[in-house]
Amino acid sequence: GAVVSQHPSWVICKSGTSVKIECRSLDFQATTMFWYRQFPKQSLMLMATSNEGSKATYEQGVEKDKFLINHASLTLSTLTVTSAHPEDSSFYICSASSTSKLSNEQFFGPGTRLTVL
Amino acid sequence: QKEVEQNSGPLSVPEGAIASLNCTYSDRVSQSFFWYRQYSGKSPELIMSIYSNGDKEDGRFTAQLNKASQYVSLLIRDSQPSDSATYLCAVIGDGGSQGNLIFGKGTKLSVKP
Repeated sequence: GAVVSQHPSWVICKSGTSVKIECRSLDFQATTMFWYRQFPKQSLMLMATSNEGSKATYEQGVEKDKFLINHASLTLSTLTVTSAHPEDSSFYICSASSTSKLSNEQFFGPGTRLTVL
Repeated sequence: QKEVEQNSGPLSVPEGAIASLNCTYSDRVSQSFFWYRQYSGKSPELIMSIYSNGDKEDGRFTAQLNKASQYVSLLIRDSQPSDSATYLCAVIGDGGSQGNLIFGKGTKLSVKP
């Protein structure tokens, strides 16, 4: 299988601060990475799609200036939540896929639980 | 609006029984279909992918796809308490090779010992 890691696994921060979450594909090159958010008892909601070396494509309703995504290499994408507020508290999950794989499966990281006080 | 519909459950089955999870999707051009398992507080884990009509078996899991009916299902044979989780049906919405997954809201399965 394909392994995707995320760091940190959880973070608690004060309102107004920025938080960076890293997503790494460990054993394959991820041409595309996806960022999701999941609130309690709800399904995953796609926030944005990023292809290596290009700007991310954000879903409707997701503020690109608040959720900064960088996909500078084929194994690393970062999500920065800027000026976080309590309503940003959620479970953030990344996934990765690769054109080198025969299927178009997405492999998920373990997620990052963000709590904003 | 492309949608993926699942019964939220909870679906409760006794240990050893067959659990049947169902999913319908609205986008007729969808070509790729996936079942993910998500334990509480964890991220989704891919169980099965299916791309053509018919059945696909992998161990205790069988995925069934009927594109004419826009229906995909997951059967879990010999259900175990460790199978208790939320099962997410997902569809590649635009039919492309790197398209976005559209998730259903998930069906919560409970396997009673």
